[in-house]
Amino acid sequence: DIQMTQSPSSLSASVGDRVTITCRASQSVSTYLNWYQQKPGKAPQLLIYAASSLRSGVPSRFSASGSGTHFTLTISSLQPEDFETYYCQQSYSTPFTFGPGTKVDIK
Amino acid sequence: EVQLVESGGGLVQPGGSLRLSCAASGFSFSSYWMHWVRQAPGKGLVWVSRIIGDESVTSYADSVKGRFTISRDNAKNTLYLQMKSLRPEDTAVYYCVRGGSSLGENWFDPWGQGTLVSVSS
Repeated sequence: DIQMTQSPSSLSASVGDRVTITCRASQSVSTYLNWYQQKPGKAPQLLIYAASSLRSGVPSRFSASGSGTHFTLTISSLQPEDFETYYCQQSYSTPFTFGPGTKVDIK
Repeated sequence: EVQLVESGGGLVQPGGSLRLSCAASGFSFSSYWMHWVRQAPGKGLVWVSRIIGDESVTSYADSVKGRFTISRDNAKNTLYLQMKSLRPEDTAVYYCVRGGSSLGENWFDPWGQGTLVSVSS
């Protein structure tokens, strides 16, 4: 199975800050890497698919890049609604594994 | 509007069975891979199973293989997860998720609201 790791596991930031979350795969997943946001008590929502494609309707302050084993999600200017938990997920091969999540909270 | 609505969760004793359902609407159900993903209380996301549109291909996580069966009824636009020999570690919110319509489109969008399965004596 492909193992996914994320760093940091949590971060504290302020509105307007630029934040970057890193996701690493234990082996190459090419660009089969997706990012999700989850609010407490709610289902996750897709933000980014295929490593860098922004889902329709997702604000342009979200961006992502990477390929192979190293990926990043960047929020260019944190907004109050962005203080949530973010997961990466590889869709290269089953089982489709998720990272452990990164919780972004208010400093 | 694409919508996925799960049902069938509840409290079950260890060793028991449960069948989850997911009613889909707003898209051509038979054209898409469908998945189940679960999340134990306070924990991360775990992929459980998937099924191709024509039901010819299914896959399972090792932790549920042999105990869970995914199926679908394209005439009813409904996805199922039959769960047997349930264990306390199967306790989780189970999400029904739409996958892609073609090879390589394995992102999950959208997700249902989830249904809670609790396995306890």
